[in-house]
Amino acid sequence: EDQVTQSPEALRLQEGESSSLNCSYTVSGLRGLFWYRQDPGKGPEFLFTLYSAGEEKEKERLKATLTKKESFLHITAPKPEDSATYLCAVQGPSGSARQLTFGSGTQLTVLP
Amino acid sequence: SAVISQKPSRDICQRGTSLTIQCQVDSQVTMMFWYRQQPGQSLTLIATANQGSEATYESGFVIDKFPISRPNLTFSTLTVSNMSPEDSSIYLCSVTGGKDNQPQHFGDGTRLSIL
Repeated sequence: EDQVTQSPEALRLQEGESSSLNCSYTVSGLRGLFWYRQDPGKGPEFLFTLYSAGEEKEKERLKATLTKKESFLHITAPKPEDSATYLCAVQGPSGSARQLTFGSGTQLTVLP
Repeated sequence: SAVISQKPSRDICQRGTSLTIQCQVDSQVTMMFWYRQQPGQSLTLIATANQGSEATYESGFVIDKFPISRPNLTFSTLTVSNMSPEDSSIYLCSVTGGKDNQPQHFGDGTRLSIL
């Protein structure tokens, strides 16, 4: 059974204080690892897909990296508008071909 | 990416009643999914909505409780039947394209409270 663990559960940063969110996963054959951002009252918004160890993706202040056991979402010089819950999900070979297993998320608060 | 609209955005319902949630996409999509997100928790897949055939349900979810329709490639409904307070949750529709490993894109969800 695929498992995803995200840490920390909650993170408070000062504006400009860089940090990283962790997503540890267990899956027998990773098809893809996905990062989403979820704002209150909204559905998850797609950020990145990573397919293989060593891969990196960047978007503005966010950078996602992947190893064989975990993924990191690095946030450089965050701004208050980066405050949201960040979700990680994996797609493995079990179940339907496109089934995602989600972690419980990291709630990020960036203080001005 | 596709624009996904869910209706209603929120509702408050009485115990024992049923509610049908609609998911409309602005373009044809291959796969449509229904998720539940309980307060403070992550997303759990309820079922995959298959066009022209019965939905595929995940463990712990049954068709009698969560009947799903998908009459075409842009529309699906999820009904929450005989509701109890434990069904209070956010219900989310997601879609993806034809290729494997494509990301899923989500609607903004239906916030359901059962009294």
